[in-house]
Amino acid sequence: EVQLVESGGGLVQPGGSLRLSCAASGFIFSNYWMSWVRQAPGKGLEWVATIKGDGSEKNYVDSVKGRFTISRDYTENSVYLQMNSLRADDTAVYYCARWRRSQSEFTHWGQGALVAVSS
Amino acid sequence: DIQMTQSPSSLSASVGDRVTITCRTSQSVNTYLNWYQQKPGKAPNLLIYATSNLQSGVPSRFSGSGFGTDFTLTISSLQPEDFATYYCQQSYSPPPMTFGGGTKVEIK
Repeated sequence: EVQLVESGGGLVQPGGSLRLSCAASGFIFSNYWMSWVRQAPGKGLEWVATIKGDGSEKNYVDSVKGRFTISRDYTENSVYLQMNSLRADDTAVYYCARWRRSQSEFTHWGQGALVAVSS
Repeated sequence: DIQMTQSPSSLSASVGDRVTITCRTSQSVNTYLNWYQQKPGKAPNLLIYATSNLQSGVPSRFSGSGFGTDFTLTISSLQPEDFATYYCQQSYSPPPMTFGGGTKVEIK
């Protein structure tokens, strides 16, 4: 069974940093693209970042380019989102998701981690 | 970037009703259109991929259709567990992968 478990969320001041982790199990981790998708309180879904199975390709939504970095660790079967220079509008639940490249859909999702940026 | 417009933004319906949700894209996405269901406090769940393909485990009362810029999600007979918010997502030219604004299906 595919499982994705996020951790690392919390309250951070504007300008601060936070690193989210997503532990993956139940599938061959290196075979799959992984993504982060966020949802601001009461709002819709927004794709944030995606990383290829071998880590050779990374993509970001324009609003986080230069501030967020997606990475993955094959010994830990985990994907990470390093978030720097956080702003109030980064406040959201961040979901880790497995992305199927062939049809470009998000097939499996974690339970989400809340990131709140406030002074 | 491709823009997504869902309609309606919300609707009220009764158990047993046929419900149709529309998603329009700002340019053609061929059949690269997916649908998700999200219940309050939960992660989204993939319902339909590539316009009309039912994800494993999804009830057959859900169906999708369309091509190009106009797509629909249909629930043939609304069940109590179907009250949720539904999102479309285009996958024609990723990245970015963009989502529609959502349609909240409420109990009448």
